[in-house]
Amino acid sequence: AQSVTQLGSHVSVSEGALVLLRCNYSSSVPPYLFWYVQYPNQGLQLLLKYTSAATLVKGINGFEAEFKKSETSFHLTKPSAHMSDAAEYFCAVSERGGATNKLIFGTGTLLAVQP
Amino acid sequence: GAGVSQSPSNKVTEKGKDVELRCDPISGHTALYWYRQSLGQGLEFLIYFQGNSAPDKSGLPSDRFSAERTGGSVSTLTIQRTQQEDSAVYLCASSLYALEVGAEAFFGQGTRLTVV
Repeated sequence: AQSVTQLGSHVSVSEGALVLLRCNYSSSVPPYLFWYVQYPNQGLQLLLKYTSAATLVKGINGFEAEFKKSETSFHLTKPSAHMSDAAEYFCAVSERGGATNKLIFGTGTLLAVQP
Repeated sequence: GAGVSQSPSNKVTEKGKDVELRCDPISGHTALYWYRQSLGQGLEFLIYFQGNSAPDKSGLPSDRFSAERTGGSVSTLTIQRTQQEDSAVYLCASSLYALEVGAEAFFGQGTRLTVV
């Protein structure tokens, strides 16, 4: 069965510092991969997705993620954190061509940005 | 509308009462999903609708939970005889086509359910 692991439930960075949020997946076939962001009392907003094209995916708000099959990873990065990036981030997978049409989410990483 | 719309945004109900949560997906989206988000449980899949196919109900936690999608559009999630453990944020999402071919899901703002 597919699963997603997000290392670090809480990450704190200084404003202007690099943001790195980790996501590893478990699947026999490389799945579709997604990063979502959730601001307080709001729904989930898609940041970026990996389907099968370029392994380096650029998303909104300056975020990007790199798919590494050898490491079964899809880590999210942003070169310079902004205060407005403080939110909870979820990595998710869906099975490529699978019978189960659902997103499997990681447990989330709460990002704090210090001034 | 431009996005997925859910109502009500907040619902407080007494234990044992029935509640109905509504979801209006993005127009033209064939797939619709319900998820539950609660502390300690993360984001749990509840149910999935795709076109006219039979829904995937594999995530519904008990027979007190049911959902329907009328006319391939609006969906209602019903929880009967609510329990305090049902307190959570219920999120609805829709996608243009099935996730198995790489579609992305768009989420509503959620309904925060509190059972007292």
